[in-house]
Amino acid sequence: QMQLVESGGGVVQPGKSLRLSCAASGFIFRTYGMHWVRQAPGKGLEWVAVIYYDGNKKIYADSVKGRFTISRDNSKNTLSLEMNSLRAEDTAVYYCATGNWYFDLWGRGTLVTVSS
Amino acid sequence: EIVMTQSPATLSVSPGERATLSCRASQSVSSQLAWYQQRPGQAPRLLIYGASTRATDIPARFSGSGSETEFTLTISSLQSDDFAVYYCQQYNNWPRTFGQGTKVEIK
Repeated sequence: QMQLVESGGGVVQPGKSLRLSCAASGFIFRTYGMHWVRQAPGKGLEWVAVIYYDGNKKIYADSVKGRFTISRDNSKNTLSLEMNSLRAEDTAVYYCATGNWYFDLWGRGTLVTVSS
Repeated sequence: EIVMTQSPATLSVSPGERATLSCRASQSVSSQLAWYQQRPGQAPRLLIYGASTRATDIPARFSGSGSETEFTLTISSLQSDDFAVYYCQQYNNWPRTFGQGTKVEIK
């Protein structure tokens, strides 16, 4: 069945880097835009970034622009998020989600904690 | 950026009753509006897209309406599984933006 599985979360110090991954299965990955959406503890949802189906266009939220990089490998059905210069306010569960407009399918998320 | 505002923040409803949730956009999003359900400890799940189209396998007791700046999600007869947080989200513009959520709790 259609599935997204995130990995790579953990505890990281402020200013450091972390790379998240999302493995997709059960659908034609290369035809869908892919997103990262995050949720700080006890808070609402915040869209982070999108990469178009072919990887040629990427858009970021202002809060992460210049620090985060989204990428994809259509040959391996994987999505990535490289996060640099992490801040305490980046602490959240990070979900990958698929959809060309709205978010059809979500992974279960991976927790990133930025703390010294 | 388009600001999405949901009301009320919390809605207390008895099982079997109707729940009506509202979502307002700071500017027109046409019908490019989705609703999601998030149960505790789970990822969000798509309920409605295009303001009124139910996603796959979503029960008919969930319905959406509205356009431009005013939207409504109605749950006609609340079941135990429906007590959750509901988010609206616009996809007319970048960045994609969500409302702050409405928590539907048991009265």
